[in-house]
Order: sequence, then C-alpha cells, then structure tokens
Amino acid sequence: EAQVTQNPRYLITVTGKKLTVTCSQNMNHEYMSWYRQDPGLGLRQIYYSMNVEVTDKGDVPEGYKVSRKEKRNFPLILESPSPNQTSLYFCASMATGAYSNQPQHFGDGTRLSIL
Amino acid sequence: AQSVAQPEDQVNVAEGNPLTVKCTYSVSGNPYLFWYVQYPNRGLQFLLKYITGDNLVKGSYGFEAEFNKSQTSFHLKKPSALVSDSALYFCAVRCTSGTYKYIFGTGTRLKVLA
Repeated sequence: EAQVTQNPRYLITVTGKKLTVTCSQNMNHEYMSWYRQDPGLGLRQIYYSMNVEVTDKGDVPEGYKVSRKEKRNFPLILESPSPNQTSLYFCASMATGAYSNQPQHFGDGTRLSIL
Repeated sequence: AQSVAQPEDQVNVAEGNPLTVKCTYSVSGNPYLFWYVQYPNRGLQFLLKYITGDNLVKGSYGFEAEFNKSQTSFHLKKPSALVSDSALYFCAVRCTSGTYKYIFGTGTRLKVLA
C-alpha cells in the first residue's frame, strides 16, 4: 500500500530537548515536504526537498532542520524545541518530472506538545 | 505576496442540499489548483485538481470544482451533501514558475446537518 509514515504520532516533551520526527514514503517520490498546521493559519510549509541532498526552506523554517540522505526518508529535527513549536506536523511526498501535476500524499500527522 | 483565501471558517448545510466551499487565490502565472479533505486524526486526502482544460473538474466522493480564471477562484461544490462529508477542507495552489512551492488556504470546516 502506498503510504507516507510519520513517527511518532504524538509527543509531549520539554523545552530544549532535541527531538526528531521521522517520515518515510514507499512510492519512490522525489519530492518531500514538511508542514505545520495551526488553527486559523492552515498549513504552512517548513522545508521541502526536491531530491536526495537537495533541500530548501519553506515559509516557516526557523527552529527546524531537515536532511535527505535517502530518497524515502525526510526527518524533521528540532534541535532546541520551544513552546511556539507546539503544533500538528505533516509530512508529504509527491512525484515530480513527467508527473509534476500530481497531488501530494500526506502522512497522518504528528502532534507535538512542547512544555 | 502570493496567497490563497478561504473566506469562510465554517460552512453549514443541510443533508441533501448543495454545498459550496469557496477559494480564491493570488498567484502569478498559471498555477495548479487542488482541493484536499482532512478527517479527524488523519492527514490530508486529495479530492481533485485543476491543471488545464475544462473549467469544471470532477473528483472523489461526488465533489467537483469550478475554475474561474478572471475571478481567480476555484470553488468546491457538491450537488447533494452527506453527513459523512463533514470535515475540514483545504484549497491549495502549486506555483508552476520553476518551483514546487505550495500555498494552502486556512481551511473551511464543513458541517452537514442531518
């Protein structure tokens, strides 16, 4: 089954404690992206990656890091989380090139609470 | 600045009645337009898209959307609403000017009343 898998689904942690949210896709998609969803703000793009070792900032990259060492994985790293990063996070992937008009496939989300 | 607007936070409609969820955009060029639906505790699911061609596009679950270039709108419609259509709906625009940047609207919560 084609899917985007995020882990963990829920996490409560404290300010300053480094955390990583993993994202993996099994569709061989070149493009992957991270979003955060906040009430009244919709989805805002944090980072995206066009392919292995190619990443770029979205609209709200401050406080986040990403890496793309393998095509299927795109982890989101919060080096020193702060309460304003409490949010619902989504990873997504998409085919590109000849399939560039295809929709994104989303994971089920990770709810992060930073105390 | 490029943006996508969903002017209604919530839309209420009676079951069996037609529904419309509005979306307008301000993006340069000829963007690709998408609608996604989000059910509780789930990620966004693709409903339909407009790339080019016929202004009326049909998608999943009986939904359709009408593209209007002059009004830069892409409203989501369904002739007869179901209670199970109650969810959060997002309009999204993918810029086609050499990047894969996506802009999402703020979402509209659809509530279909039995």
